[in-house]
Amino acid sequence: DADVTQTPRNRITKTGKRIMLECSQTKGHDRMYWYRQDPGLGLQLIYYSFDVKDINKGEISDGYSVSRQAQAKFSLSLESAIPNQTALYFCATSSSRTSEETQYFGPGTRLLVL
Amino acid sequence: GEDVEQSLFLSVREGDSSVINCTYTDSSSTYLYWYKQEPGAGLQLLTYIFSNMDMKQDQRLTVLLNKKDKHLSLRIADTQTGDSAIYFCAEKGTGFQKLVFGTGTRLLVSP
Repeated sequence: DADVTQTPRNRITKTGKRIMLECSQTKGHDRMYWYRQDPGLGLQLIYYSFDVKDINKGEISDGYSVSRQAQAKFSLSLESAIPNQTALYFCATSSSRTSEETQYFGPGTRLLVL
Repeated sequence: GEDVEQSLFLSVREGDSSVINCTYTDSSSTYLYWYKQEPGAGLQLLTYIFSNMDMKQDQRLTVLLNKKDKHLSLRIADTQTGDSAIYFCAEKGTGFQKLVFGTGTRLLVSP
């Protein structure tokens, strides 16, 4: 299922570098999310966007920024990467038009910061 | 705040039933979800249940919800080796539509 795609799938970078992770969706959903997954910690919400002009901080937004360039695109930036940002990053989408508002996840980006 | 807890690990034999448990603290939860994550993949929605239901069945999957005890379980009948994965429960409260995830239960199915 390629409705939610993420690029790159894997990335190695050095401390202090700026990197961007991209997410695109073809589901026509209005809401998009960025999560990070660390072993034993489940998923933590970084940022979320309910529409193109709506951006909100999640639980762990420090050190990250986002841009909602269009309804279908939501990118996550690490302005100056640090090693403890090494994690698996997931983008997700949902539709406000459904009551259960199921979130659909991309395949993830594995990021290693050296 | 909201909290969702799961046991970390479950091991079963192929053909047996698996029961994965989850407890949550938010009494205003509206929907509860089960997601499956296979190695190297994203989270795949398995099923969800609305908070005014106590059971939902979907083929080999049965979800039981005890709202009084804030306890959710996922039963997988006739577990197969392909069911080996990490299973996450998640809950959604009222108002802001944030999902709160548990830490995941790793299910290992042996032949």
